[in-house]
Amino acid sequence: EIVMTQSPATLSVSPGERATLSCRASQSVSSNLAWYQQKPGQAPRLLIYGASTRATGIPARFSGSGSGTEFTLTISSLQSEDFAVYYCQQYNNWPPKLTFGGGTKVEIK
Amino acid sequence: EVQLVESGGGLVQPGGSLRLSCAASGFTFSSYWMHWVRQAPGKGLVWVSRINSDGSSTSYADSVKGRFTISRDNAKNTLYLQMNSLRAEDTAVYYCATQTLGIRCLDYWGQGTLVTVSS
Repeated sequence: EIVMTQSPATLSVSPGERATLSCRASQSVSSNLAWYQQKPGQAPRLLIYGASTRATGIPARFSGSGSGTEFTLTISSLQSEDFAVYYCQQYNNWPPKLTFGGGTKVEIK
Repeated sequence: EVQLVESGGGLVQPGGSLRLSCAASGFTFSSYWMHWVRQAPGKGLVWVSRINSDGSSTSYADSVKGRFTISRDNAKNTLYLQMNSLRAEDTAVYYCATQTLGIRCLDYWGQGTLVTVSS
């Protein structure tokens, strides 16, 4: 089973600053990595897939990078609506079982 | 507009059963894989199960295998999750989600339905 580990668990950032979130896979998942944003009381929203491709309607301030076992989600200039929990998810294995990381909460500093 | 609407959640006693439904609209339901993902109160996302487009292939998380059954009715544009032998640790919001991008990431989600297992 592929284990996804996100760090840090909580990230305190001021509006306008840059946020860098990390996700590590226990074995290579190639570029089969997605990022989601979840706000309180809402369903998750897909941000990034294929490690670096923004989903439809996602602002350019969100970017993803990495491959293999190390991945990063960067929010270049945090807006008020970006304070949320972010999850990574791998989709490399077969039979197809998706695995999510434990999440990183981005909070206002 | 893609819409996924879950229903069927509620309070059930340990050992009981519940069937969740997810009504889909706004896309060609029969063409896409569907998934169930759950989230215990205050916790992270956990994948539960998936089904392929025609219902001939399914996968389950180890924690629910043998107790939960995913199915779909493409004529009714509806996804189901039959949950048997429920345990307290199955308490969660259950989301249905789909992958329309051709890869196994979830681009549309429902609003979720809460299942509470308690005596």
